[in-house]
Amino acid sequence: EVVLTQSPGTLSLSPGERVTLSCRASQSVRSSYLAWYQQKPGQAPRLLIYGASTRAAGIPDRFTGSGSGTDFTLTISRLEAEDFAVYFCQQYVTPPWTFGQGTKVEIK
Amino acid sequence: QVHLFQSGTELKPPGASVKLSCKASGYSFTSYGVSWVRQAPGKGLEWMGWISTFNGNTNYAQNFQGRVTMTTDTYTTTTYLELTSLTSDDTAVYYCSRDSPHYFQDGVRFDLWGQGTLVTVSS
Repeated sequence: EVVLTQSPGTLSLSPGERVTLSCRASQSVRSSYLAWYQQKPGQAPRLLIYGASTRAAGIPDRFTGSGSGTDFTLTISRLEAEDFAVYFCQQYVTPPWTFGQGTKVEIK
Repeated sequence: QVHLFQSGTELKPPGASVKLSCKASGYSFTSYGVSWVRQAPGKGLEWMGWISTFNGNTNYAQNFQGRVTMTTDTYTTTTYLELTSLTSDDTAVYYCSRDSPHYFQDGVRFDLWGQGTLVTVSS
């Protein structure tokens, strides 16, 4: 099973700040099989990025995905109030499809 | 409007089974598969398996093999998840998600989610 390790566990930030979230895989993941999700309390996850770097429909351009191999990054250029949430990465190249444990971005 | 609507909250005793539903609307049902993902309270996301709505083919995560059955009804555009031999570890919110029509495929997947169904296993 491909283990995805996200870091840090929690980030305390202010609106307007730049955020960089990390997702490290236990084995190489083809970029086209890596996605990022945002989840707010009491809500279902929302697809942000697929193919490591392609924004899903309706996702603002302050969200950027990058990376390859075993190291992937989600960057939020300027945090807005609605961005405070938990972020998960996911791979779907090697079954079972797995998710990282999540990074919580909270208001400082 | 594109939507996945899931059935309501379930309370089950240990050892029981539960069958959840996920009704799709607003898109071509058989052009996409469906995956089920669960989330225990305060925990992360766990993928359970995938079903083709076109031909009913399934692929289940090893952790659930023997206990899970996914089915689909093209006439009602509804997908079902049945989980048997429930324990307290199965207490979670269960989500259905629109997925690829092919099990092994890159690109856009999990782009539409149901609202989730809370299953509580307790005596």
